Amino acid sequence: EAGVAQSPRYKIIEKRQSVAFWCNPISGHATLYWYQQILGQGPKLLIQFQNNGVVDDSQLPKDRFSAERLKGVDSTLKIQPAKLEDSAVYLCASSFQTGRNYEQYFGPGTRLTVT
Amino acid sequence: KQEVTQIPAALSVPEGENLVLNCSFTDSAIYNLQWFRQDPGKGLTSLLLIQSSQREQTSGRLNASLDKSSGRSTLYIAASQPGDSATYLCAVNDYKLSFGAGTTVTVRA
Repeated sequence: EAGVAQSPRYKIIEKRQSVAFWCNPISGHATLYWYQQILGQGPKLLIQFQNNGVVDDSQLPKDRFSAERLKGVDSTLKIQPAKLEDSAVYLCASSFQTGRNYEQYFGPGTRLTVT
Repeated sequence: KQEVTQIPAALSVPEGENLVLNCSFTDSAIYNLQWFRQDPGKGLTSLLLIQSSQREQTSGRLNASLDKSSGRSTLYIAASQPGDSATYLCAVNDYKLSFGAGTTVTVRA
Protein backbone atom coordinates (compact mmCIF):
# COMPACT_ATOMS: atom_id res chain seq x y z
CA GLU A 1 0.00 0.00 0.00
CA ALA A 2 1.42 3.37 -1.00
CA GLY A 3 1.89 5.86 1.80
CA VAL A 4 1.09 9.55 2.02
CA ALA A 5 2.91 11.46 -0.71
CA GLN A 6 4.05 15.08 -0.39
CA SER A 7 5.84 17.46 -2.69
CA PRO A 8 8.10 19.29 -2.86
CA ARG A 9 10.34 17.86 -0.17
CA TYR A 10 12.26 21.11 0.28
CA LYS A 11 11.52 24.73 -0.57
CA ILE A 12 13.45 27.93 0.01
CA ILE A 13 11.71 31.25 -0.58
CA GLU A 14 12.14 34.87 0.41
CA LYS A 15 9.76 36.56 2.81
CA ARG A 16 6.63 38.00 1.23
CA GLN A 17 6.73 35.38 -1.55
CA SER A 18 4.06 32.73 -1.92
CA VAL A 19 4.44 28.95 -1.77
CA ALA A 20 2.21 25.89 -2.21
CA PHE A 21 2.52 22.36 -0.93
CA TRP A 22 0.80 19.27 -2.29
CA CYS A 23 -0.37 16.13 -0.50
CA ASN A 24 -1.83 12.89 -1.81
CA PRO A 25 -3.27 10.73 0.99
CA ILE A 26 -3.46 6.96 1.20
CA SER A 27 -6.06 5.65 -1.23
CA GLY A 28 -9.49 5.42 0.38
CA HIS A 29 -8.69 7.68 3.32
CA ALA A 30 -11.45 10.19 3.85
CA THR A 31 -9.69 12.37 6.42
CA LEU A 32 -6.67 14.53 5.66
CA TYR A 33 -4.63 16.66 8.05
CA TRP A 34 -2.00 19.38 7.65
CA TYR A 35 0.44 19.94 10.51
CA GLN A 36 3.17 22.55 11.05
CA GLN A 37 6.29 21.44 12.91
CA ILE A 38 8.66 24.22 13.94
CA LEU A 39 12.21 23.12 14.78
CA GLY A 40 12.38 21.74 18.31
CA GLN A 41 8.61 21.51 18.71
CA GLY A 42 5.97 18.86 18.15
CA PRO A 43 3.63 19.06 15.15
CA LYS A 44 0.66 21.42 15.47
CA LEU A 45 -2.58 20.78 13.59
CA LEU A 46 -3.36 23.49 11.05
CA ILE A 47 -6.41 22.06 9.31
CA GLN A 48 -8.41 18.84 9.09
CA PHE A 49 -10.59 17.79 6.15
CA GLN A 50 -13.26 15.13 6.03
CA ASN A 51 -13.67 14.38 2.31
CA ASN A 52 -13.70 17.91 0.84
CA GLY A 53 -15.18 19.64 3.89
CA VAL A 54 -13.26 21.39 6.68
CA VAL A 55 -13.64 19.80 10.13
CA ASP A 56 -11.19 21.96 12.09
CA ASP A 57 -9.19 24.99 10.99
CA SER A 58 -9.06 26.76 14.34
CA GLN A 59 -5.25 27.04 14.33
CA LEU A 60 -4.83 28.02 10.68
CA PRO A 61 -3.60 31.63 10.28
CA LYS A 62 -6.27 32.50 7.78
CA ASP A 63 -4.82 35.89 6.88
CA ARG A 64 -1.97 34.16 5.05
CA PHE A 65 -2.63 30.41 4.96
CA SER A 66 -5.23 28.65 2.83
CA ALA A 67 -5.92 25.00 2.07
CA GLU A 68 -8.23 23.13 -0.22
CA ARG A 69 -9.25 19.58 -1.01
CA LEU A 70 -11.53 20.10 -3.93
CA LYS A 71 -12.27 16.52 -5.02
CA GLY A 72 -11.89 14.91 -1.61
CA VAL A 73 -8.59 13.29 -2.53
CA ASP A 74 -5.38 15.33 -2.79
CA SER A 75 -4.90 18.67 -1.09
CA THR A 76 -2.85 21.84 -1.39
CA LEU A 77 -1.70 24.18 1.38
CA LYS A 78 -0.72 27.70 0.39
CA ILE A 79 1.08 30.48 2.22
CA GLN A 80 0.83 34.04 0.85
CA PRO A 81 2.74 36.10 1.79
CA ALA A 82 5.31 34.07 3.72
CA LYS A 83 6.96 35.33 6.90
CA LEU A 84 10.24 34.29 8.50
CA GLU A 85 8.34 32.50 11.28
CA ASP A 86 6.70 30.20 8.71
CA SER A 87 9.99 28.31 8.40
CA ALA A 88 9.01 24.80 9.46
CA VAL A 89 8.28 21.29 8.25
CA TYR A 90 4.75 20.89 6.91
CA LEU A 91 3.43 17.41 7.46
CA CYS A 92 0.41 15.87 5.80
CA ALA A 93 -1.38 12.90 7.36
CA SER A 94 -4.43 10.85 6.47
CA SER A 95 -6.76 8.43 8.19
CA PHE A 96 -9.54 6.14 6.98
CA GLN A 97 -12.18 8.23 8.76
CA THR A 98 -12.42 10.92 11.41
CA GLY A 99 -12.57 9.63 14.94
CA ARG A 100 -10.52 8.35 17.81
CA ASN A 101 -10.27 4.78 16.55
CA TYR A 102 -8.64 5.71 13.26
CA GLU A 103 -4.86 5.94 13.20
CA GLN A 104 -3.18 8.77 11.31
CA TYR A 105 -0.44 7.98 8.78
CA PHE A 106 2.11 10.68 8.05
CA GLY A 107 3.92 11.70 4.90
CA PRO A 108 7.64 12.65 4.75
CA GLY A 109 6.92 16.36 5.05
CA THR A 110 7.98 19.49 3.19
CA ARG A 111 10.77 21.53 4.76
CA LEU A 112 10.18 25.26 4.15
CA THR A 113 12.89 27.84 4.72
CA VAL A 114 11.89 31.50 4.51
CA THR A 115 14.83 33.90 4.18
CA LYS B 1 -6.17 22.94 26.47
CA GLN B 2 -4.09 19.76 26.51
CA GLU B 3 -0.39 20.27 27.29
CA VAL B 4 2.07 17.47 26.55
CA THR B 5 5.59 17.51 28.01
CA GLN B 6 8.50 15.21 27.26
CA ILE B 7 11.53 15.03 29.52
CA PRO B 8 14.43 14.88 28.86
CA ALA B 9 14.71 16.83 25.61
CA ALA B 10 17.83 14.85 24.67
CA LEU B 11 19.45 11.63 25.80
CA SER B 12 22.73 9.93 24.93
CA VAL B 13 23.44 6.35 25.97
CA PRO B 14 25.96 3.62 25.09
CA GLU B 15 24.78 0.74 22.95
CA GLY B 16 23.05 -2.00 24.92
CA GLU B 17 21.67 0.24 27.63
CA ASN B 18 17.90 0.36 28.19
CA LEU B 19 16.14 3.61 27.28
CA VAL B 20 13.37 5.21 29.35
CA LEU B 21 11.46 8.09 27.75
CA ASN B 22 8.82 10.03 29.65
CA CYS B 23 5.66 11.80 28.54
CA SER B 24 3.21 13.73 30.73
CA PHE B 25 -0.12 15.33 29.85
CA THR B 26 -2.44 17.67 31.70
CA ASP B 27 -5.94 16.42 30.83
CA SER B 28 -6.60 12.75 31.57
CA ALA B 29 -9.78 12.61 29.46
CA ILE B 30 -8.05 10.99 26.50
CA TYR B 31 -9.04 8.33 23.98
CA ASN B 32 -5.55 7.00 23.37
CA LEU B 33 -1.86 7.86 23.40
CA GLN B 34 0.60 7.20 20.62
CA TRP B 35 4.38 7.05 20.43
CA PHE B 36 6.08 8.06 17.17
CA ARG B 37 9.61 7.94 15.86
CA GLN B 38 10.98 10.73 13.64
CA ASP B 39 14.25 10.40 11.75
CA PRO B 40 16.00 13.56 10.45
CA GLY B 41 14.25 14.85 7.33
CA LYS B 42 11.56 12.20 7.55
CA GLY B 43 7.93 12.05 8.59
CA LEU B 44 6.51 10.33 11.65
CA THR B 45 6.45 6.56 12.06
CA SER B 46 3.95 5.17 14.54
CA LEU B 47 5.54 2.84 17.10
CA LEU B 48 2.81 2.02 19.60
CA LEU B 49 -0.76 3.10 20.27
CA ILE B 50 -2.28 2.59 23.72
CA GLN B 51 -6.03 2.87 24.16
CA SER B 52 -7.23 4.70 27.29
CA SER B 53 -8.51 1.41 28.73
CA GLN B 54 -5.10 -0.25 28.41
CA ARG B 55 -2.17 -0.10 30.82
CA GLU B 56 0.57 -1.06 28.40
CA GLN B 57 1.42 -2.10 24.87
CA THR B 58 4.41 -4.07 23.60
CA SER B 59 6.09 -4.50 20.24
CA GLY B 60 9.44 -6.29 20.07
CA ARG B 61 11.96 -4.37 22.18
CA LEU B 62 9.48 -1.55 22.78
CA ASN B 63 7.09 -1.35 25.70
CA ALA B 64 4.85 1.61 26.49
CA SER B 65 2.89 2.09 29.68
CA LEU B 66 0.01 4.44 30.37
CA ASP B 67 -1.19 5.79 33.72
CA LYS B 68 -4.12 7.96 32.71
CA SER B 69 -5.00 9.06 36.24
CA SER B 70 -1.56 10.58 36.80
CA GLY B 71 -1.23 11.82 33.23
CA ARG B 72 1.92 9.87 32.41
CA SER B 73 3.25 7.47 29.80
CA THR B 74 6.66 5.85 29.57
CA LEU B 75 8.33 4.29 26.55
CA TYR B 76 10.93 1.63 27.30
CA ILE B 77 13.37 0.49 24.64
CA ALA B 78 15.35 -2.56 25.67
CA ALA B 79 18.97 -3.20 24.68
CA SER B 80 19.37 -0.03 22.63
CA GLN B 81 21.13 -0.08 19.24
CA PRO B 82 22.68 2.73 17.16
CA GLY B 83 19.72 2.34 14.78
CA ASP B 84 17.44 3.51 17.59
CA SER B 85 18.93 6.99 17.32
CA ALA B 86 16.04 9.31 16.42
CA THR B 87 13.55 11.71 17.96
CA TYR B 88 10.67 10.08 19.82
CA LEU B 89 7.38 11.96 20.09
CA CYS B 90 4.33 11.16 22.16
CA ALA B 91 0.89 12.35 21.11
CA VAL B 92 -2.28 12.40 23.15
CA ASN B 93 -5.63 11.99 21.41
CA ASP B 94 -8.53 13.69 23.17
CA TYR B 95 -10.44 14.89 20.12
CA LYS B 96 -7.30 15.66 18.13
CA LEU B 97 -3.62 14.78 18.44
CA SER B 98 -1.57 17.00 20.76
CA PHE B 99 2.17 16.35 20.52
CA GLY B 100 5.06 16.77 22.90
CA ALA B 101 8.26 18.38 21.65
CA GLY B 102 10.05 15.04 21.61
CA THR B 103 13.14 13.41 23.10
CA THR B 104 16.16 13.16 20.81
CA VAL B 105 18.00 9.92 21.46
CA THR B 106 21.59 9.16 20.50
CA VAL B 107 22.86 5.61 20.97
CA ARG B 108 26.66 5.49 20.89
CA ALA B 109 28.34 2.44 19.37
